[in-house]
Amino acid sequence: ILNVEQSPQSLHVQEGDSTNFTCSFPSSNFYALHWYRWETAKSPEALFVMTLNGDEKKKGRISATLNTKEGYSYLYIKGSQPEDSATYLCATRAGSYQLTFGKGTKLSVIP
Amino acid sequence: DAGITQSPRYKITETGRQVTLMCHQTWSHSYMFWYRQDLGHGLRLIYYSAAADITDKGEVPDGYVVSRSKTENFPLTLESATRSQTSVYFCASSESTRGGGLETQYFGPGTRLLVL
Repeated sequence: ILNVEQSPQSLHVQEGDSTNFTCSFPSSNFYALHWYRWETAKSPEALFVMTLNGDEKKKGRISATLNTKEGYSYLYIKGSQPEDSATYLCATRAGSYQLTFGKGTKLSVIP
Repeated sequence: DAGITQSPRYKITETGRQVTLMCHQTWSHSYMFWYRQDLGHGLRLIYYSAAADITDKGEVPDGYVVSRSKTENFPLTLESATRSQTSVYFCASSESTRGGGLETQYFGPGTRLLVL
C-alpha cells in the first residue's frame, strides 16, 4: 500500500485569491498521478491524469504539475470562485491496478 | 440512463444481517472498483474486478464478498454486517489498462450504509 500525502488538509481562501496544494507520493515504481474534484454530496470527478516528469495539465483556471523524481504534484487554482469549493483528491498507481488515494485537501472559497 | 449507478442510495441494517450493494455501469468498462469512505481515511479500495469472473482484493477486503458474472454489474455483499462497516460506499469503473495507470475512474453516486 502506497503512502499518498496531501497538504494542507483544509484551507479557506477569499474569492479571487489564487491557491495551490500539494500531493506527495513514493517516487519509486511510479505509473500515474490522478487528480479528482469532489464536491459535497456528490461523487469524485476526474480532473487530470499525468504520467511524465515535468508534465503540466490545465483545465480552465485549474492546473497541475508533476515531479516524479521527487514524488510530488501541485494543483493550482487561479482566481478562486465559490464554485471551486470542494475536496481535491490525488491518487497514484504504482505497479498494480489499484489507485491509492490521499485524504484530500478541502478548499472553501469565501465570497 | 447511461453512466454508473448504485442502489440503494441509503440503507439502514442491523448487525449480523447480510446486505448487498448494487453497482451497474453502461459503458462496458472492463474494470470496476468498490471503495469505502470514512472520516480520516479517505477512499480505501475494498475489491476490484478486471473483467467478468475476475476479482481481486484491495486494501480492506475483510467482511466483504464480490462477484462479477456480467461486465456491467459488480455487487458488493456484506455477509454479516458489523458496526465498523458503517460507511459511504462508492463504486467506480474504468476502461481496460492499455497505458498503465492512465485510465480515469468514473464514480457512482455512493451508498450510505448505517449498521445498527
